[in-house]
Amino acid sequence: EVQLVESGGGLVQPGRSLRLSCAASGFTFSSYAMSWVRQAPGKGLEWVSAISGSGSSSGTYYADSVKGRFTISRDNSKTTLYLQMNSLRAEDTAVYYCAKERGSGSWGDAFDIWGQGTLVTVSS
Amino acid sequence: DIQMTQSPSTLSASVGDRVTITCRASQSISSWLAWYQQKPGKAPKLLIYKASSLESGVPSRFSGSGSGTEFTLTISSLQPDDFATYYCQQYNSYSWTFGQGTKVEMK
Repeated sequence: EVQLVESGGGLVQPGRSLRLSCAASGFTFSSYAMSWVRQAPGKGLEWVSAISGSGSSSGTYYADSVKGRFTISRDNSKTTLYLQMNSLRAEDTAVYYCAKERGSGSWGDAFDIWGQGTLVTVSS
Repeated sequence: DIQMTQSPSTLSASVGDRVTITCRASQSISSWLAWYQQKPGKAPKLLIYKASSLESGVPSRFSGSGSGTEFTLTISSLQPDDFATYYCQQYNSYSWTFGQGTKVEMK
C-alpha cells in the first residue's frame, strides 16, 4: 500500500526551529518528486516547497512566504522527506502535509498521494 | 506568480443536481491543472489531473474541462458523499498554486 506518514509537529515558540519528517512506503521513493503543502486553521491549501526525486540542491523550490527560512531535503536510502523550519512565525501555524507527485521521473505534476498531516502551532 | 481564482466560494446544492465550479488562472497554464476534494479533518484527494484526466478510482460523475486560463469541474449528479470543499491547483513551470476553494454544501 502506498503510504505517507508525517511526524514532528507540535507547539513551538516564535523564532524557534522544528523539523518535520514524512516516511514513505509502497513505491519507489527516489523516482518521485515530493512536496510539502500546508493548511492554516480554517483556511485553504498553500504549497510550501518541492524537491526532485534525486534531491539535488538545484532541484528544490520554495514559496516566497518561506524562502530563506525553510529547507526541504530527502534521504532516499531511508525513503524519508524532511522540512527544516527555522525562524518560525505565528503565521506558519498550520497542518503540514507531504504529497507525492503523480508522475514517475517527471518534475512538476499533480499530487496523487497525501499524508494525514501534522499540526505545527507557533505560539508563545 | 500565477494566481488561481475559483468561483463560487460556496455553492448550495441538492442530491442529484449538476454542479459546476470554475477556476481561472492569471496567465496561461496550458492544461497543467488538477482538482482535489477535501473533507473536514482529512487530506485532499486528487480527482482530476491535466485538466480533464480522471484519476484512477474516481467516479465518472466527476469531469474536468478547459485549457489556457479557464477551467471547470463538473459533478454530473451530486451524491451525498460529494459534499466537501474542492480546490483547483496549477502546476506549471515548477510552481504550484491552489485556488481558494469552493465549499459544496447541502441546500
